[in-house]
Amino acid sequence: DAGVIQSPRHEVTEMGQEVTLRCKPISGHDYLFWYRQTMMRGLELLIYFNNNVPIDDSGMPEDRFSAKMPNASFSTLKIQPSEPRDSAVYFCASSRGQGQNTEAFFGQGTRLTVV
Amino acid sequence: DAKTTQPTSMDCAEGRAANLPCNHSTISGNEYVYWYRQIHSQGPQYIIHGLKNNETNEMASLIITEDRKSSTLILPHATLRDTAVYYCIVRSKRIYNQGGKLIFGQGTELSVKP
Repeated sequence: DAGVIQSPRHEVTEMGQEVTLRCKPISGHDYLFWYRQTMMRGLELLIYFNNNVPIDDSGMPEDRFSAKMPNASFSTLKIQPSEPRDSAVYFCASSRGQGQNTEAFFGQGTRLTVV
Repeated sequence: DAKTTQPTSMDCAEGRAANLPCNHSTISGNEYVYWYRQIHSQGPQYIIHGLKNNETNEMASLIITEDRKSSTLILPHATLRDTAVYYCIVRSKRIYNQGGKLIFGQGTELSVKP
């Protein structure tokens, strides 16, 4: 398996534009996590899914953020409209929930810059 | 989920053992201790996890106290490439009531010096 794949790796957009970040988890993993990382706030959990169902979205900062997982192999995080304070590195991670190997694997992240 | 407390930063000489402590005094019986590290500009990387027994793998050893209120990650022979932020996390493996949640604290910034 190629690991967790995120796209794009870098995104620069203007304030007010819609941004969509994409994630392909590792096959067979039933948990998917979206994180945001900034210098000020560290790694923040935004939302996580179990079996494609959102379990906890309390970390989503506001209604401008939305996440979907239409199937087991794909998830999106959308920001509409984007603002400069959304600039951060966004990580996606996946894991199994049960069994021996439950460690989470992270993607390389998407560095978002909103100007 | 239980919260963890780690020192903000630590130094270690290259070739020596690095011992990174973590307090998790409110850990519950169904919560595991996980360790991850993040090298600059990369995604976090899994190191090791355990429930109550000590664990060892090719990267590190994990020592959990008998009361499970604290643990220590040991890198037996630290190298310059081990310079990173190390996160100690407690995670429930139950699948109901928001089980499986993975919350990162501020971690310990380990600097391995020549």
